[in-house]
Amino acid sequence: DAGITQSPRYKITETGRQVTLMCHQTWSHSYMFWYRQDLGHGLRLIYYSAAADITDKGEVPDGYVVSRSKTENFPLTLESATRSQTSVYFCASTEQDYGSYEQYFGPGTRLTVT
Amino acid sequence: DQQVKQNSPSLSVQEGRISILNCDYTNSMFDYFLWYKKYPAEGPTFLISISSIKDKNEDGRFTVFLNKSAKHLSLHIVPSQPGDSAVYFCAARGWGNQFYFGTGTSLTVIP
Repeated sequence: DAGITQSPRYKITETGRQVTLMCHQTWSHSYMFWYRQDLGHGLRLIYYSAAADITDKGEVPDGYVVSRSKTENFPLTLESATRSQTSVYFCASTEQDYGSYEQYFGPGTRLTVT
Repeated sequence: DQQVKQNSPSLSVQEGRISILNCDYTNSMFDYFLWYKKYPAEGPTFLISISSIKDKNEDGRFTVFLNKSAKHLSLHIVPSQPGDSAVYFCAARGWGNQFYFGTGTSLTVIP
């Protein structure tokens, strides 16, 4: 299927566990992003990537790790999950051509840390 | 500190009337602004955008206005339709292609 997909859609995990959220896009967009959505904060950027093997921190990177070995995949790992990381996570991609900065978002992953 | 702010958490409008959603920002270096629409249990979808060198951009029922001196942008929807009921986020492009989002405004269009 064309587009951007995230898996799993829902995840419950315990404090201290490692969790990996997957993101896959089929457009070969160069840029990919991870956001978290929390009440009162809107969407906040966690990490982003300009191309394979190039990643950079966003506003709230602490506690998260990313990698991008292939253009189409951008997994987000919570190395030791904490309750404050309970959130809805969105992956997005864009080609970022000048004048065309709109991002395409995945459906989100709802993560609960108990 | 929130660099992009949407001070109205919610807005209700009658069908057929104009909806005006507002957004303020603090960073004068932002060079591109976008509006996204979000339905429950879905990801945001792009609606309309504007470059910082313009003051207006129109696309069908949607118009975005940018006032750089006031660091303020607004989204006008006219006429409003029940299907427009959603949460609207404004976003701004900053250094290094980072995007900063507001907290969202929940629009309800009453039939």
